[in-house]
Amino acid sequence: AQSVSQHNHHVILSEAASLELGCNYSYGGTVNLFWYVQYPGQHLQLLLKYFSGDPLVKGIKGFEAEFIKSKFSFNLRKPSVQWSDTAEYFCAKGMDSNYQLIWGAGTKLIIKP
Amino acid sequence: NAGVTQTPKFRVLKTGQSMTLLCAQDMNHEYMYWYRQDPGMGLRLIHYSVGEGTTAKGEVPDGYNVSRLKKQNFLLGLESAAPSQTSVYFCASSRGRANTGELFFGEGSRLTVL
Repeated sequence: AQSVSQHNHHVILSEAASLELGCNYSYGGTVNLFWYVQYPGQHLQLLLKYFSGDPLVKGIKGFEAEFIKSKFSFNLRKPSVQWSDTAEYFCAKGMDSNYQLIWGAGTKLIIKP
Repeated sequence: NAGVTQTPKFRVLKTGQSMTLLCAQDMNHEYMYWYRQDPGMGLRLIHYSVGEGTTAKGEVPDGYNVSRLKKQNFLLGLESAAPSQTSVYFCASSRGRANTGELFFGEGSRLTVL
């Protein structure tokens, strides 16, 4: 069965620190990858997505992610975090079998002001 | 523009009681989904719908039923609630398939079964 792994369940950083959240996916099928974010009290929303082409994908709010095929990874990065980046971040992979998504467990990010 | 709206937002049930969660979207999306979110497990798909009048089972469908009588509404029912169904439930909708597009989510409904 396909799977998506987010190894860090909780991350605490200070403002201005650089961020990298890990996401690894299992081999198989089309590689459609997503990062979603849920800010406190808000809806889950799409940060960025990768289907093909340039492996460095830019999303909203200064986030980017790099697709590394050889490592089955799609890590989320931001050079300098802000307090407002405190949120839960979810990685997801599209499945060919039923056109749905399989989700990672999520990473809760806390930014200390 | 309301987007995706879920009601109720909070509910406490006793084991064996039944209830229905309502999801409404105003974006004319074909696809709608019900997920549950449990600590350390991410989102798991319960049921989904690819259009009015159609539904399909997701990853964890047991104990739940759904209906999509109108395009804009997707109902999730629990016929006989169990403590294992304590969770946060999210509804989502999309214009196209989930694996190639963007999902729009509701705010979530927190259900506790005692």
